[in-house]
Amino acid sequence: GNSVTQMEGPVTLSEEAFLTINCTYTATGYPSLFWYVQYPGEGLQLLLKATKADDKGSNKGFEATYRKETTSFHLEKGSVQVSDSAVYFCALRTITGNQFYFGTGTSLTVIP
Amino acid sequence: GAVVSQHPSWVICKSGTSVKIECRSLDFQATTMFWYRQFPKQSLMLMATSNEGSKATYEQGVEKDKFLINHASLTLSTLTVTSAHPEDSSFYICSAKNYGKAGGGGTQYFGPGTRLLVL
Repeated sequence: GNSVTQMEGPVTLSEEAFLTINCTYTATGYPSLFWYVQYPGEGLQLLLKATKADDKGSNKGFEATYRKETTSFHLEKGSVQVSDSAVYFCALRTITGNQFYFGTGTSLTVIP
Repeated sequence: GAVVSQHPSWVICKSGTSVKIECRSLDFQATTMFWYRQFPKQSLMLMATSNEGSKATYEQGVEKDKFLINHASLTLSTLTVTSAHPEDSSFYICSAKNYGKAGGGGTQYFGPGTRLLVL
């Protein structure tokens, strides 16, 4: 079946620290992989995506590389800011359908 | 960019009443709309998929008679929670998928969510 596993939070970092949020997946076929961000009181916003192996998605200083050999899509940012405080969801979308499978989300708090 | 709105953004109702939530794609036509539910500190769970003009497809375990979905047009889908109970309290999020480029599958855009509290 299809599923996404991401590291549990909450994660608390100081401003300018390095961020890694681990995400691994199980899927039949070759899914597209996504990271979504949910700021307090808001809906999901697409942060970045990758559609095939070795693709690197990037946006706002965040990066994630589609690793087929390790079935992973870890999110990284070199220097976090207070404004990055949010919940981050890793997700996959199957190639055959519309359905998204989400991880449980990782809450990130960045302190000044 | 594409925008999906939901109305209301939050609602409080008495147990036993029905609540309707609207999901609109504001600047594009949506071939398909999706309804998710998110419990506190948990992930989004797909409830149902709806295509304009046809019946919604519900995920296993979701009561179709309790969660009525109507997809009346290419820009509007509604979710009605009938005879709501406290356990229905949750964050309901819709998404809408636009037409893709030739040969493509379209992109899903998520609404801001509706927080429902049933007393």
